[in-house]
Amino acid sequence: EDKVVQSPLSLVVHEGDTVTLNCSYEVTNFRSLLWYKQEKKAPTFLFMLTSSGIEKKSGRLSSILDKKELFSILNITATQTGDSAVYLCAVGAAGNKLTFGGGTRVLVKP
Amino acid sequence: NAGVTQTPKFQVLKTGQSMTLQCAQDMNHNSMYWYRQDPGMGLRLIYYSASEGTTDKGEVPNGYNVSRLNKREFSLRLESAAPSQTSVYFCASSIQSGRVFNEQFFGPGTRLTVL
Repeated sequence: EDKVVQSPLSLVVHEGDTVTLNCSYEVTNFRSLLWYKQEKKAPTFLFMLTSSGIEKKSGRLSSILDKKELFSILNITATQTGDSAVYLCAVGAAGNKLTFGGGTRVLVKP
Repeated sequence: NAGVTQTPKFQVLKTGQSMTLQCAQDMNHNSMYWYRQDPGMGLRLIYYSASEGTTDKGEVPNGYNVSRLNKREFSLRLESAAPSQTSVYFCASSIQSGRVFNEQFFGPGTRLTVL
């Protein structure tokens, strides 16, 4: 059975702090790892990672994948209150199916 | 483009009642998905449709049926609702092309309560 585990479950930081979120996985027929941000409604896509060791960046967010150790991290630097959300990690397998982790809830205080 | 739309936004049912959740996408995607999200459990796949005319079970299909009406629309039916089906339901769509994996786009969700 495919499994995706995210840690920590939740964290509280202050504006300007750096946050590191973890995602580990055990998936058959791995194709890619995706990160989504979920505020009050639908998850919105952040990154898709398919190759080990190549960092993807978008503004203050960055992510990297380690396919040997089966994990990914998502970093958020210089956090802002607008970064408060649940961050979801999902692993894509055959059939374009996604298996999601339980999410990490991030609260950024002013 | 509206992207992925879902109706209704909210619904309250009594145990044993039936209902259909509707989903439509206007992005010409061939694959569509239904997920449920419960607190602390992320999203779990109920059913998916890789292409028009095909449907397959996901992780938690019991108590649900689906219909891929055409390329745009994918509905989820609860024949006899149970309190355990209280959840937020998300529809998603993506382009699936051979071995290329593409991100899924999500609708706004339907919050369902079964009393």
